[in-house]
Amino acid sequence: AQKVTQAQTEISVVEKEDVTLDCVYETRDTTYYLFWYKQPPSGELVFLIRRNSFDEQNEISGRYSWNFQKSTSSFNFTITASQVVDSAVYFCALSRDSYGGATNKLIFGTGTLLAVQP
Amino acid sequence: ETGVTQSPTHLIKTRGQQVTLRCSSQSGHNTVSWYQQALGQGPQFIFQYYREEENGRGNFPPRFSGLQFPNYSSELNVNALELDDSALYLCASSWGTVEAFFGQGTRLTVV
Repeated sequence: AQKVTQAQTEISVVEKEDVTLDCVYETRDTTYYLFWYKQPPSGELVFLIRRNSFDEQNEISGRYSWNFQKSTSSFNFTITASQVVDSAVYFCALSRDSYGGATNKLIFGTGTLLAVQP
Repeated sequence: ETGVTQSPTHLIKTRGQQVTLRCSSQSGHNTVSWYQQALGQGPQFIFQYYREEENGRGNFPPRFSGLQFPNYSSELNVNALELDDSALYLCASSWGTVEAFFGQGTRLTVV
């Protein structure tokens, strides 16, 4: 069975602090995809990143960086120099490969509420 | 902006009624998925449509049904509404396992 665990329910930081959001996943598939989404109060899920299981390179995009470690089944997300606009709920999600018509549904974690105080 | 549009944005219904939610997928995307997000929870997969056919279903009763049209837009229908159906309903469009882009959601309140 597939499962995503985000153990941190809420995190509060002061602006300009670095913060890491943890994500641990479970899957028996050899090919899978990992995602991070941001959900501001408006409700829309904003896509941040997708990583496939064969690509363990870390990625940096501006103040955002992601650390994927298959050995520990983790896909952690770090925001450097946090800003008030980063305040949102962040979801980690897992999807199997849709090759052969398999359903590529997203399995979400329960989310981490990040509050960045000015 | 993702190009995925949902309507309406908010809706209030009475228990026992029926509701239809609509989703226009992003241009070029042939797969539409629907998710239910209860307050304080992560989105839960309801079902997916690929080329107008259901392509997978989550743990939701048959009173949750859907359609996908030739232009890849989609509807979610819920019959015999229950109080627990109150949630944010999210539509996502994608091409295969390419990143799924979500609409802004429909917030359904059942009273």
